[in-house]
Amino acid sequence: KAGVTQTPRYLIKTRGQQVTLSCSPISGHRSVSWYQQTPGQGLQFLFEYFSETQRNKGNFPGRFSGRQFSNSRSEMNVSTLELGDSALYLCASSLGVNSYEQYFGPGTRLTVT
Amino acid sequence: KNQVEQSPQSLIILEGKNCTLQCNYTVSPFSNLRWYKQDTGRGPVSLTIMTFSENTKSNGRYTATLDADTKQSSLHITASQLSDSASYICVVRENAGNMLTFGGGTRLMVKP
Repeated sequence: KAGVTQTPRYLIKTRGQQVTLSCSPISGHRSVSWYQQTPGQGLQFLFEYFSETQRNKGNFPGRFSGRQFSNSRSEMNVSTLELGDSALYLCASSLGVNSYEQYFGPGTRLTVT
Repeated sequence: KNQVEQSPQSLIILEGKNCTLQCNYTVSPFSNLRWYKQDTGRGPVSLTIMTFSENTKSNGRYTATLDADTKQSSLHITASQLSDSASYICVVRENAGNMLTFGGGTRLMVKP
């Protein structure tokens, strides 16, 4: 069974641009969560989707948004990029929410210049 | 405010030795606690997940404990190997709003 895939793996953008990251969960998994990881802040929760509905949202500004499609694939979008948005963006999938094991993808490394 | 504190921040041990990593949390109401291992440049990999009623859970050379009364968890690594060098992250899920709170991680380096 294929693992969680994220595209692209690396991305360089300039301030003010917008970016869309994609995540394909493990087949059969219906929950997808997104995280931001930076050296200074560690791992921070962005949002969680289950069956196309956002179940939870972390403490991030409205520039960060996401969605989940009927095939459970998910995208996250960051508009008006800032230098501080440079980070590793991780996606994790699970069968359901709460107690189910989460499986992380390799991440997308975003650099904002 | 929900918090998860991990200690130590970093640790260096010799190959073959044991070590214990600590995680203290204030998250309430508690749902579950996960320990993850993250190799450099990779996504985290789940080691264990513990619910309120579980005190100890093992996964090979990794043994996690949970004391829900004192809100403390530990991850014990036995007979360390060079491949254990990684960051270990403690994550606690809240029961009410289903939110996750992450610890800052412990960076472990195993030397030959």
